[in-house]
Amino acid sequence: SYELTQPLSVSVALGQTARITCGGNNIGSKNVHWYQQKPGQAPVLVIYRDSNRPSGIPERFSGSNSGNTATLTISRAQAGDEADYYCQVWDSTLVFGGGTKLTVL
Amino acid sequence: EVQLVESGGGLVQPGGSLRLSCAASGFTFSSYEMNWVRQAPGKGLEWVSYISSSGSTIYYADSVKGRFTISRDNAKNSLYLQMNSLRAEDTAVYYCARVGVEMAMNYWGQGTLVTVSS
Repeated sequence: SYELTQPLSVSVALGQTARITCGGNNIGSKNVHWYQQKPGQAPVLVIYRDSNRPSGIPERFSGSNSGNTATLTISRAQAGDEADYYCQVWDSTLVFGGGTKLTVL
Repeated sequence: EVQLVESGGGLVQPGGSLRLSCAASGFTFSSYEMNWVRQAPGKGLEWVSYISSSGSTIYYADSVKGRFTISRDNAKNSLYLQMNSLRAEDTAVYYCARVGVEMAMNYWGQGTLVTVSS
């Protein structure tokens, strides 16, 4: 079965750029989606199909996908961006990465 | 406004059954594929099951295959998850989610907690 690998945690200084990676075999050939989940809340879609932002998601959120790594980039990180982030693909079944906890210092 | 409201969670003994419901509003339910996703306490997201808009195509995660059954009633704008032979490891918050582009889930309910314990 297909596996997605994310770092357990990423830290970023306030106002700086955070990058969260999602590794998978030839993930560049798949559509990758990213979710943000804050404590006690349901996940929110922040990036779909590699690099597209749903309405209402700030332009500070962007995504890329190539080779064996997809990346979620959060520019000008804010305290409100602290959350768990999950990548997701469809590969005969729906697969989530293990999640990355983003800390804004 | 799109709304998804889950219900039916609760405490159940190992080996027992539970039926979750997800009431949809604010969109044409019959036009959208749906998923159930769960999250064990302190753990990550785990996909459970998928159903197409008509209900004709269904997929399950290996961890629930043969025990859980997904269904929908488009006339009632409702999605269901029948859970049988429940195990302790099925303890989780269960979310229903609407599928958008390329299996991205653009709307989620608030979740319902299922606890399997004696």
